[in-house]
Amino acid sequence: KNEVEQSPQNLTAQEGEFITINCSYSVGISALHWLQQHPGGGIVSLFMLSSGKKKHGRLIATINIQEKHSSLHITASHPRDSAVYICAVRSSGNQFYFGTGTSLTVIP
Amino acid sequence: ETGVTQSPTHLIKTRGQQVTLRCSSQSGHNTVSWYQQALGQGPQFIFQYYREEENGRGNFPPRFSGLQFPNYSSELNVNALELDDSALYLCASSGGLAGITDTQYFGPGTRLTVL
Repeated sequence: KNEVEQSPQNLTAQEGEFITINCSYSVGISALHWLQQHPGGGIVSLFMLSSGKKKHGRLIATINIQEKHSSLHITASHPRDSAVYICAVRSSGNQFYFGTGTSLTVIP
Repeated sequence: ETGVTQSPTHLIKTRGQQVTLRCSSQSGHNTVSWYQQALGQGPQFIFQYYREEENGRGNFPPRFSGLQFPNYSSELNVNALELDDSALYLCASSGGLAGITDTQYFGPGTRLTVL
């Protein structure tokens, strides 16, 4: 069983749609990261969360520590949002665990 | 552009050989982490260095080793390469203890193929 589970694995949306990607984890954490990976490998860190909610442009990330769950929301999705979105946690034991990613395709 | 660079971009080795991958962190970043990402998988944590000392290690055998240098560069060394070592190797740097105080900045990765 993976320490970090993401859903859905694949997601196709029409431009303009509101998108939600979910992440559940099973370990105690000091922080949770949302990452964006484009084809070819480049990874960009979107958010680092330890509680509550963060917003950056059209992206919103929330975390519920009690439920061990986080969500990444994209409002007014655009084709340039097409990428793989990865949830990662830093555990209390100083390990990093990654989800397998959600592949998002936004169709014009 | 994150300011984190990796070399080489691509590398082909044969089973049993040894390889050294390099990462240059952003100036001032004391922490570097290395990850292995197999095709179609999420990254796996190899280890982290903070101020030139290993500061955490994932479930990788001792033939995976690293070094961090005072000039914000670091190396990942893999001995006795196996076919399953074929992957994208990513390094990421941060100013503080990554994951607690600072976000990580990822390099573009080195694609290693073991034949």
